[in-house]
Amino acid sequence: AQSVSQHNHHVILSEAASLELGCNYSYGGTVNLFWYVQYPGQHLQLLLKYFSGDPLVKGIKGFEAEFIKSKFSFNLRKPSVQWSDTAEYFCAVNSGTYKYIFGTGTRLKVLA
Amino acid sequence: EAGVAQSPRYKIIEKRQSVAFWCNPISGHATLYWYQQILGQGPKLLIQFQNNGVVDDSQLPKDRFSAERLKGVDSTLKIQPAKLEDSAVYLCASSFRRDTDTQYFGPGTRLTVL
Repeated sequence: AQSVSQHNHHVILSEAASLELGCNYSYGGTVNLFWYVQYPGQHLQLLLKYFSGDPLVKGIKGFEAEFIKSKFSFNLRKPSVQWSDTAEYFCAVNSGTYKYIFGTGTRLKVLA
Repeated sequence: EAGVAQSPRYKIIEKRQSVAFWCNPISGHATLYWYQQILGQGPKLLIQFQNNGVVDDSQLPKDRFSAERLKGVDSTLKIQPAKLEDSAVYLCASSFRRDTDTQYFGPGTRLTVL
């Protein structure tokens, strides 16, 4: 069965620290990859997505993610986090059958 | 642009009762999704509509859950009868198309089954 793994469930960083959140998926075929974010009290919203082309994609608020096909990974990065990045981050994958699978999420807390 | 609307925002019911959730997607969005998000887990897709047809309902517990999207716009998700393990947030999302398109999520309905 297809699955998405997010290895870090809780991450605490100080402002200006660099961030990398891991995401691995199990499906071997063509996939579309997404990172969604849920800020406190807000709806889930898209950070960035990849479906073809340059494997390094840039999203909103300075986030980027790199698709490494050989590693089945789509890790999220930000060089310098801010207090306002405190949120829960979800990696999601959909395959050629259009079925969306979300990871369990990573709660990020950034200390001011 | 108005976002995805859901109601009610909160619902508390006893087990074995029935409950219904309503979703109004963003105007013009052909694809509508219902997700179940249990505390501490990621959203789990229950059913996906393309206009008023079902694209995927493989994870919908059909013995107790049902959903419809009449006229390809609003959608209703029903649980009958509810079980304790149905306590979760039910999220509705919509997108212009499926596959690569961004999903826009509503605020969710938090269901507590006692």
